[in-house]
Order: sequence, then C-alpha cells, then structure tokens
Amino acid sequence: QSALTQPASVSGSPGQSITISCTGTNHDIGSYKLVSWYQRHPGKAPKLIISEVIKRPSGVSHRFSGSKSGNTASLTISGLQAEDEADYFCCSYAGRSTYIFGRGTTVTVL
Amino acid sequence: QVQLQASGPGLVKPSETLSLTCTVSGGSLNDYSWSYIRQPPGKGLEWIGHVSFSGNTDYNPSLRSRVTISIDTSKSQFSLKLSSVTAADTAVYYCARLKPDIWFDPWGQGTLVTVSS
Repeated sequence: QSALTQPASVSGSPGQSITISCTGTNHDIGSYKLVSWYQRHPGKAPKLIISEVIKRPSGVSHRFSGSKSGNTASLTISGLQAEDEADYFCCSYAGRSTYIFGRGTTVTVL
Repeated sequence: QVQLQASGPGLVKPSETLSLTCTVSGGSLNDYSWSYIRQPPGKGLEWIGHVSFSGNTDYNPSLRSRVTISIDTSKSQFSLKLSSVTAADTAVYYCARLKPDIWFDPWGQGTLVTVSS
C-alpha cells in the first residue's frame, strides 16, 4: 500500500479558488466512491470536511467541494480565506476494511 | 459531542512495545469502529488499524504482525500495542472514530511518541 499522491503545497490569494488533487490506483480511489478529506490546522486534530467524495458534513463551509474522476479525487476550496491555511489530507477506502491516506498538502493563503 | 483523548508514554526504547490508550467521552462506543492513525515526521498519515465495538479488528498489512488494538467498552477506552518498535515508529499517533468504509471523525489531539534509547 503506497500513500495516495498529493501535491506538497498549493497557494492562492484571498478570494481565489484552488484545487488539491489526490491520485491513487484502481485498487482504491478508482474502485470506490469512498474518498474523504481532512483539514488540519497546526497543533490541532484533523477535521473531516468531505466524505464519500462529495458529501459535506454539517457545519463545514460550502466553499469546500469534492469530486472524483478515475483514480484521482480532488478538493476545491472556493473564495479562499486566511482561515483555510492548513494541511489537507485525502483518504480512500482500499478494500478488505483497509484505508490509505495521502501525504498531505499544505495550503498557503498569499 | 464525542471527544477522544490519547494517552501513553512519549518515549519508548527500541525493541520494546509502544502502548497507547484512547478515552472516548460524550458518546457511546456502539455502532462505530475505533481507529489509530499515525504520522511519522515528514511523512503522510498512515492508517494503523481499527477495532469494532464488538472487538473485531482490522490492521494495516504492513504492521499486522506487530499490532494489537483492543477495546474496553466498560471504560470507554480502546488501546494500541505496537511491538518491537524501531526509530521508524516515531510518529504523532492519533485516535479517531471510524464509520466503517466512510469516514474518520472526530479525531483526538494526537500524541508524539519517540522511539529512542
């Protein structure tokens, strides 16, 4: 099980939209609509922001959206705000009750 | 509101067993599974394994030979044991509630465990 591939860093100006990609294989992302995304601010616990590719839990900003095509999932943050500066991790179900995470992407608001 | 808090030694000697306990408050352990996830320095998150409220377990194949996760519903706790540790096991360890197949939420704060003599 190799980690899902994410860019190490993504940056954008306030108000812009950015997209974080998460690439796996046809054994994980490509086989299941079970991708989740987590936001982690420094020193804090990760927080669920997207589940099942596109679902946004109650209380999560509508500026966060998810999608998937083939073996790649994506997280888009619209109307970038200073509070969005954090690390973001993707996760996919990988079959047989196992899970695989991405290496993480650091989002910087310029 | 469910909250998780991991506790355990922050320093473990090589070849010994790493032990952590996660205490769940604000909710029942029923109907969910309970997981451990770690992040070594400079690396991504790694799912270690999980235990269901009934005690069934699943582990990361790469760690299966060294990992044991157990649950004590009477104490609202679940525990991780990782044997024969090396420096590669140095990481921030998180505990989290798992809705099987779907998501990990919430997560505990994370605790740094260093393997060093």
